Amino acid sequence: ETGVTQSPTHLIKTRGQQVTLRCSSQSGHNTVSWYQQALGQGPQFIFQYYREEENGRGNFPPRFSGLQFPNYSSELNVNALELDDSALYLCASRENWEYEQYFGPGTRLTVT
Amino acid sequence: ELKVEQNPLFLSMQEGKNYTIYCNYSTTSDRLYWYRQDPGKSLESLFVLLSNGAVKQEGRLMASLDTKARLSTLHITAAVHDLSATYFCAVEETSGSRLTFGEGTQLTVNP
Repeated sequence: ETGVTQSPTHLIKTRGQQVTLRCSSQSGHNTVSWYQQALGQGPQFIFQYYREEENGRGNFPPRFSGLQFPNYSSELNVNALELDDSALYLCASRENWEYEQYFGPGTRLTVT
Repeated sequence: ELKVEQNPLFLSMQEGKNYTIYCNYSTTSDRLYWYRQDPGKSLESLFVLLSNGAVKQEGRLMASLDTKARLSTLHITAAVHDLSATYFCAVEETSGSRLTFGEGTQLTVNP
C-alpha cells in the first residue's frame, strides 16, 4: 500500500503565471483535501473532493481550482499567481468521510 | 466560524522537564487531531481523539480531550531533544469535513 504522493516537490513561478500541483491518493482513498500552509502558520483548508465532486471549499478566491480524477488522484490549479501564494501546499486523502486523513509530503511553491 | 487557539505558541524547555500544550476550540466537534511538523516537512499524525474523555499516549506524549470544555491538551513527559518540532492541533467540526488548525506550538528542547 503506497502513501500519499505529491509532485513536484519544489516549484518556482513568476507572479501572474499559472501552476498545477498534483496529488496521488493513498490506495483505496476516495476523498482528497488540499491545504495551503504559509511560512510560520497552520495549514488553511482550500477545498475537498469526494468521488470527483467538490464538496467543501475554504476562503480562497476562484483562481484556486481543482479536479479529482476517476482514479481519485487530484490536481490543484492556481491562476494569476500572487506573491502571497508562496507556501507549502499539502494534500490529504481519506477513505470516505469517517476515517482519518493522511497527508502527503507537500509541494513548496515560491512565487517571485 | 470555528476557531482553534493553541498556547503557548513558542515553548523552550530543558531536557527531562514536563510541560503541557493547550488547544481550545470554539464550537462542538467530532474529532480532534494532533500533528507534528519538522522544519520543511509535512505533517505527521500523532493522535486522533474521538470522544469526550479520550486519552491517548505514545512514548513521552499524551493527549486528552474534554469536549465539554472544548479543550485538548498535549502533555510532554521528560522531554528529549528529538521532540523539538512544531505541534499542531486540528479540529474536524463534523465527520468528513475540513480540518481547522491552530497556529502551532514551536517546541525547542534544550540539552
